[in-house]
Amino acid sequence: DAKTTQPNSMESNEEEPVHLPCNHSTISGTDYIHWYRQLPSQGPEYVIHGLTSNVNNRMASLAIAEDRKSSTLILHRATLRDAAVYYCILRDVSNSGYALNFGKGTSLLVTP
Amino acid sequence: DGGITQSPKYLFRKEGQNVTLSCEQNLNHDAMYWYRQDPGQGLRLIYYSQIVNDFQKGDIAEGYSVSREKKESFPLTVTSAQKNPTAFYLCASSISANTGNTIYFGEGSWLTVV
Repeated sequence: DAKTTQPNSMESNEEEPVHLPCNHSTISGTDYIHWYRQLPSQGPEYVIHGLTSNVNNRMASLAIAEDRKSSTLILHRATLRDAAVYYCILRDVSNSGYALNFGKGTSLLVTP
Repeated sequence: DGGITQSPKYLFRKEGQNVTLSCEQNLNHDAMYWYRQDPGQGLRLIYYSQIVNDFQKGDIAEGYSVSREKKESFPLTVTSAQKNPTAFYLCASSISANTGNTIYFGEGSWLTVV
């Protein structure tokens, strides 16, 4: 299985940019990189995903390394509502079919 | 509004009882999934279904059962064989099982064994 490695926690000040790293050194050529976030006692929320090129949407940007072994989720201006657990996930089509396999993610703390 | 509805939000079960968690989606999605989350942990896949009348075991299927008789419904039964069922259960769906598709989640159901 292709796995991801993320820091357990990160902290940011409000209105500052946040860079959330993710390592996935065993990624295969057809694996998409997905990011989700989860607030306490809620279901995860889609943030962004990409394959090879950098991606932007209204929530965040995704920067993918040229060798695809790492990626970074960028929140351009963190707000208190961005405090959540962020999951970096590869679509694993081996043991579990086409479902996402979540790890523990990075818990982001945003301070005023 | 389109989305995924899970019910009940909170459920208490006595030991030895089976319970069924409901999951309904009106997004016209082919693929549906069930995950389990323990406090402070990530999500673990229980079962998934790529199409009606088909489903596959995930990483922790023992003690659980599912059915997919209708496209919009994917109920999960937690049987008495599941020895530690207290957890947060999440249902999800996607347009198809294609790896590039977004997965949408319900609000979750809390199951507690008393």
